[in-house]
Amino acid sequence: NAGVTQTPKFRVLKTGQSMTLLCAQDMNHEYMYWYRQDPGMGLRLIHYSVGEGTTAKGEVPDGYNVSRLKKQNFLLGLESAAPSQTSVYFCASSGTVDSFRYEQYFGPGTRLTVT
Amino acid sequence: RKEVEQDPGPFNVPEGATVAFNCTYSNSASQSFFWYRQDCRKEPKLLMSVYSSGNEDGRFTAQLNRASQYISLLIRDSKLSDSATYLCVVNNGMDSSYKLIFGSGTRLLVRP
Repeated sequence: NAGVTQTPKFRVLKTGQSMTLLCAQDMNHEYMYWYRQDPGMGLRLIHYSVGEGTTAKGEVPDGYNVSRLKKQNFLLGLESAAPSQTSVYFCASSGTVDSFRYEQYFGPGTRLTVT
Repeated sequence: RKEVEQDPGPFNVPEGATVAFNCTYSNSASQSFFWYRQDCRKEPKLLMSVYSSGNEDGRFTAQLNRASQYISLLIRDSKLSDSATYLCVVNNGMDSSYKLIFGSGTRLLVRP
């Protein structure tokens, strides 16, 4: 039982390049989330999903896209990376159909630097 | 006003000390409350949920005051390994209760 995994762990991009971050969970959770965390700031929600095939915008969605084609996977895409997207990205998941438990479980994070 | 407010610290305490963290939240509709722990360069991890009647887990005690919209975490007999950032977390409480709102965290340093 791996919980939540993320790939890659580290990445350096040049401005304008694109990339996809992959998140996978094996807890059969309905909800999945992408956050970014910057120094001195709390976690900020980028996008989230309430189930397979659904996505929704969070607090800071601009410059990012997401997809959830399979229940266990949630992908975060950067189409044209900018230095302002240098951050640590965390994926999280929560909740099953038969519970109202809201605690979220996080992956180990992806450290992204855009030069 | 931030939705979840915490003193950023750092709290610098000797081993064996008792330390208390406080947090206030603005959304009176929030129903679920948590403390998370985040080590340097690591992901946040659930420390404990916070229940209305208060709850204890070993050296950790969490309390909730709904009337004042205030949450606390008490750590007794601090260990070096308790050094971390502690995040106060509440749920959205509206029609998207699954969304959590994270405080910016309080940093704890436990010294020998």
